[in-house]
Amino acid sequence: DIQMTQSPPSLSASVTDRVSITCRASQSVDSWLAWYQKKPGKAPKLLIYRASTLQSGVPSRFSGSGSGTEFTLTIDSVQLDDFATYYCQQYSTSLLTFGGGTKLEIE
Amino acid sequence: QVHLVESGGGVVQPGRSLRLSCVASGFTFTTSAMHWVRQAPGKGLVWVSTISYDGRNKFYTASVKGRFAISRDDSRNTVSLQMNSLRPEDTGVYFCAKGAAAGNYFEYWGPGTVVTVPS
Repeated sequence: DIQMTQSPPSLSASVTDRVSITCRASQSVDSWLAWYQKKPGKAPKLLIYRASTLQSGVPSRFSGSGSGTEFTLTIDSVQLDDFATYYCQQYSTSLLTFGGGTKLEIE
Repeated sequence: QVHLVESGGGVVQPGRSLRLSCVASGFTFTTSAMHWVRQAPGKGLVWVSTISYDGRNKFYTASVKGRFAISRDDSRNTVSLQMNSLRPEDTGVYFCAKGAAAGNYFEYWGPGTVVTVPS
């Protein structure tokens, strides 16, 4: 199975900060990578797919980049609603895998 | 709009079985792969199983292979997860998700149903 490693596991930020989360794959997944936002008690929400394509309705302050084994999710000017846990997920193979998550907390 | 609603969760003793269901609406069910994803208390998201749009291909994460079975009933727009030989580590929230046309990522999610297997 392809292992996905996110860093950092947690991150403190203030409103309007720019933050970045990294996701590394144990082998190349090309651009078959998605990012999700998860809040406690809520269903996860798709943010980005194909490494850099913004899902419809997602604010443009979210962006994704990377290919192969290294990917980044960036939030420009973090808003209060953005404090949540973020997960990457590879879909290069039929056995799908998530990263361990990055919790974005208010500083 | 897309709507997914899971049901069937509950408290079940180790070794017993439980069947989860997910009713879908708001999209063409017969052209969508469907997935189950779970989240143990305080832990991250874990993909559990996938069924292809036509039901021919089924995939499972290693820890549930041989114990869980995914199926779909296109006449009822329903995907199910039969969970046998349940273990305490199967405890968590189980989410049903609609697969995207462009790949096996999770385009829409249900609110989840809670499964508890006490140790």
